[in-house]
Amino acid sequence: NAGVTQTPKFQVLKTGQSMTLQCAQDMNHNSMYWYRQDPGMGLRLIYYSASEGTTDKGEVPNGYNVSRLNKREFSLRLESAAPSQTSVYFCASSEVRAGGSPLHFGNGTRLTVT
Amino acid sequence: AQSVTQPDIHITVSEGASLELRCNYSYGATPYLFWYVQSPGQGLQLLLKYFSGDTLVQGIKGFEAEFKRSQSSFNLRKPSVHWSDAAEYFCAVGNAGGTSYGKLTFGQGTILTVHP
Repeated sequence: NAGVTQTPKFQVLKTGQSMTLQCAQDMNHNSMYWYRQDPGMGLRLIYYSASEGTTDKGEVPNGYNVSRLNKREFSLRLESAAPSQTSVYFCASSEVRAGGSPLHFGNGTRLTVT
Repeated sequence: AQSVTQPDIHITVSEGASLELRCNYSYGATPYLFWYVQSPGQGLQLLLKYFSGDTLVQGIKGFEAEFKRSQSSFNLRKPSVHWSDAAEYFCAVGNAGGTSYGKLTFGQGTILTVHP
């Protein structure tokens, strides 16, 4: 009963390095999301995938790319990390159905870019 | 554009006291409204949600929230706070008419401290 699993939990990068954050869900949800959390700013949507095979930009997509590998997995890539990308990153998933569906979150990846 | 405001950055209450966390939203259509709680080092857990119907919704851990359309508010309440309620609380609004229900806009969060 894992829910949404994110790896790694912690990561330190130097400016200019690249990395991929992994996310997998086992709830058979159609939609998946990447949010970043910064102090005093709540959570902001980076990218989302409404269904397998589709991805769209959210509120703060610059500097990121995503891949919806299959229905279970949705990865976030930083091609050239910058200190402004220091943040806690959360992956989430939800069903898409009439009447709405809440988000189910992973435990986050804490990323520091020096 | 939709937005959510949580006016209180930090609230301190004594254990056993009542609690109200404020949330005001701006949205042009019928909103979906949520309250999430985040314990340190953890992801966000859903406390309760409002989609339609009864404007007073009950959630987990003894929390409730009331949707007031005229005031654009969705305040979270608990009659008696427990020390384990200390956490950060987020209000969020989503699009009731779209297909991507997880495209939520979050407030800045309210940190709750509970004194024994």
